[in-house]
Amino acid sequence: AQTVTQSQPEMSVQEAETVTLSCTYDTSENNYYLFWYKQPPSRQMILVIRQEAYKQQNATENRFSVNFQKAAKSFSLKISDSQLGDTAMYFCAIHDNAGNMLTFGGGTRLMVKP
Amino acid sequence: NAGVTQTPKFQVLKTGQSMTLQCAQDMNHNSMYWYRQDPGMGLRLIYYSASEGTTDKGEVPNGYNVSRLNKREFSLRLESAAPSQTSVYFCASRGQGWSGELFFGEGSRLTVL
Repeated sequence: AQTVTQSQPEMSVQEAETVTLSCTYDTSENNYYLFWYKQPPSRQMILVIRQEAYKQQNATENRFSVNFQKAAKSFSLKISDSQLGDTAMYFCAIHDNAGNMLTFGGGTRLMVKP
Repeated sequence: NAGVTQTPKFQVLKTGQSMTLQCAQDMNHNSMYWYRQDPGMGLRLIYYSASEGTTDKGEVPNGYNVSRLNKREFSLRLESAAPSQTSVYFCASRGQGWSGELFFGEGSRLTVL
């Protein structure tokens, strides 16, 4: 079984500053994918960024980047130049090749303040 | 661009009533999923269907049934609703390859009184 833990239920950041959301996971597989999803107040789930476990280079998508530490089973999300539109719930998730399920963490509610 | 469409978006039930949540995707995806979202617990998988004609239990299947009607449609049924099933339900689909992202519907808020 795979598990995902997000230890920060809520966070806040000032507009234009940088914030890092934490995520740790557990899996017995060697190959897997990690994801960060964003859920704004509209409730729609949106993929933010994806990381393949066998790739050493950290994924980057514009202002969003990850710090992937495979040995520590850690997968944090860094948001640079935070914008008001980044206010949302953020979910970390893992998908391994042993099954067909995406397992989510409990989420972090991020508030970007003007 | 419809993507994943689920209905209804809101529903209020009395304990013991039954209902079906409908989900359809137009992306020709093989895999479809039903999740429930509860505060502080993230999204938990109820059932999934890896392909047309197959369904499997997820983390929290008790009290639910599913039907993969065809490749496009995957429905979730509550036979006898309970207050513990008050939640927001999400349908999702996934494209080819296990690395593919999930595409989600807009969610259905269900309240059981």
